[in-house]
Amino acid sequence: DTEVTQTPKHLVMGMTNKKSLKCEQHMGHRAMYWYKQKAKKPPELMFVYSYEKLSINESVPSRFSPECPNSSLLNLHLHALQPEDSALYLCASSQDGPDRGQVQPQHFGDGTRLSIL
Amino acid sequence: QQPVQSPQAVILREGEDAVINCSSSKALYSVHWYRQKHGEAPVFLMILLKGGEQKGHEKISASFNEKKQQSSLYLTASQLSYSGTYFCGTVIQGAQKLVFGQGTRLTINP
Repeated sequence: DTEVTQTPKHLVMGMTNKKSLKCEQHMGHRAMYWYKQKAKKPPELMFVYSYEKLSINESVPSRFSPECPNSSLLNLHLHALQPEDSALYLCASSQDGPDRGQVQPQHFGDGTRLSIL
Repeated sequence: QQPVQSPQAVILREGEDAVINCSSSKALYSVHWYRQKHGEAPVFLMILLKGGEQKGHEKISASFNEKKQQSSLYLTASQLSYSGTYFCGTVIQGAQKLVFGQGTRLTINP
């Protein structure tokens, strides 16, 4: 069982819908990450939160809006997505953020498989 | 900036050894290794910091050659459970993010 929980596991949405992906960890980690992974490709970093503040945004389109309500929760709000946004969205956490001196080992959730119709 | 992994795929019989390589064109601060099984989350294996260290966990070990900006993952006497896609992730000096290589798909047959 993974210690990082993501919901939902699967999501199908139309291009005009608004939905949110959720991620939760109870390991006391202070950094959380969103990655996007296309089939047979590596995870690509989207956002990093460190101590509940956005520390890295990898030039992600504004139709993706992250939110970190507290150190245990991470959301990704989706609006007006495109078919090419269909992918596996992975959440991860680490003890500390990369802005604190070192990129640390990351614990990944099982992901949300997103399909845009 | 993305590291290059080789080979892209390996097929082994149980008990055989494998080496997966990861190289970068940039000066590296650290190298991370992850394994991802189909339909599952990537799982952290080990991290190597600059200094040319070598680490190991049971029959899986890795080395980091800082001068060549290369890392290698060694799987000894492979087990069926070792099957999956192995990703190296590199952190270049001065950067704050992990960039993954394209992955190496490892298949272990009985």
